[in-house]
Amino acid sequence: EAGVAQSPRYKIIEKRQSVAFWCNPISGHATLYWYQQILGQGPKLLIQFQNNGVVDDSQLPKDRFSAERLKGVDSTLKIQPAKLEDSAVYLCASSLGLAGDRSSETQYFGPGTRLLVL
Amino acid sequence: AQSVTQLGSHVSVSEGALVLLRCNYSSSVPPYLFWYVQYPNQGLQLLLKYTSAATLVKGINGFEAEFKKSETSFHLTKPSAHMSDAAEYFCAVSHSGAGSYQLTFGKGTKLSVIP
Repeated sequence: EAGVAQSPRYKIIEKRQSVAFWCNPISGHATLYWYQQILGQGPKLLIQFQNNGVVDDSQLPKDRFSAERLKGVDSTLKIQPAKLEDSAVYLCASSLGLAGDRSSETQYFGPGTRLLVL
Repeated sequence: AQSVTQLGSHVSVSEGALVLLRCNYSSSVPPYLFWYVQYPNQGLQLLLKYTSAATLVKGINGFEAEFKKSETSFHLTKPSAHMSDAAEYFCAVSHSGAGSYQLTFGKGTKLSVIP
């Protein structure tokens, strides 16, 4: 079974530019997550989707970050405009169960997109 | 609120020696606990998970972890380190909020294996 796919793998932009990341979860997985992992820290949840709806975006800096999962499969995360402190690895994960099921606690991660903001 | 503390941001062991990575958690309800491994420039891979069945959990690559409720710990061990074990390891606790389950991660422990 194919894993979680993410692209691009690396991105370098200047501050105030915009950037978008793409994620394709494991086929059939209902729940999708975007995490931000700053160097030297553990992943921090940004947003959680169940199918095409947002379950939790309380940690998403909505003044500059946006995300969507229109058809309940692929998802995109956008940053506009980027700041220096947005330099991080952006990880996408998916889980089989619905957000309220305990089976959703086992998450499978993609390789991540490493963003450098200059 | 749930939290995870990983003692030691960097651990070095000799090849063939015991690996012990420490994780303590805080949870107001019986937790599900996870260990993930991250190799350089890769995403996180699930090593093992505790879901309230057996307290000693065996995972991939010879790793295991023991859930100790009295100590609120979930330490990761491997009897004999291999060079390929060099990576960063993250402990995570699952918690529910807003009708969904989410993971809170520790800050990670980078494991170096000395030949």
